[in-house]
Amino acid sequence: DGGITQSPKYLFRKEGQNVTLSCEQNLNHDAMYWYRQDPGQGLRLIYYSQIVNDFQKGDIAEGYSVSREKKESFPLTVTSAQKNPTAFYLCATTARTPINEQFFGPGTRLTVL
Amino acid sequence: SQKIEQNSEALNIQEGKTATLTCNYTNYSPAYLQWYRQDPGRGPVFLLLIRENEKEKRKERLKVTFDTTLKQSLFHITASQPADSATYLCALDFHSGNTPLVFGKGTRLSVIA
Repeated sequence: DGGITQSPKYLFRKEGQNVTLSCEQNLNHDAMYWYRQDPGQGLRLIYYSQIVNDFQKGDIAEGYSVSREKKESFPLTVTSAQKNPTAFYLCATTARTPINEQFFGPGTRLTVL
Repeated sequence: SQKIEQNSEALNIQEGKTATLTCNYTNYSPAYLQWYRQDPGRGPVFLLLIRENEKEKRKERLKVTFDTTLKQSLFHITASQPADSATYLCALDFHSGNTPLVFGKGTRLSVIA
């Protein structure tokens, strides 16, 4: 069953703690993306990676970090420096060719207590 | 400044009517424009892509137009059904491996029986 998995579905974090969100894909896509979604805000790009061992900051990278050690995996760490981390986080991939359609995972809802 | 706007946050429509959603942008020059559907608590799902040299694209009850002079795309759902109720997102696609998609905030469509 091909696709993108994100875990966990729901995550609770205490203030001051780092937390890592998982994103795994078996679509063999090179490019992977992390978005944050808040009510009424649409999708905001956090980080993206075009290829293994390389990644770029998106529009709201402050307080987040990523790694891309394997093609299949693109974990996102929400650090204590992120002032307002409560949000819905979405991971996406794209093959880029022939079209740049993005495939999204089911999302992780992070709540800071 | 660069902007992408979807005409309204919410749109209510009677079952059987045609729903029309608008996506406007300024100071961008996308090669393609994409439309996605997002249900509550889930990731977006790709619906349609239209190229800058295409005026119109159809898929079943969906129709998309793209006017690069007006910098506008219209998304139509004909014979709308309650099952079409969702948030619809437009995305600017620059067809460049180095440039991520730019998403609008979405329009929440409610089809009333």
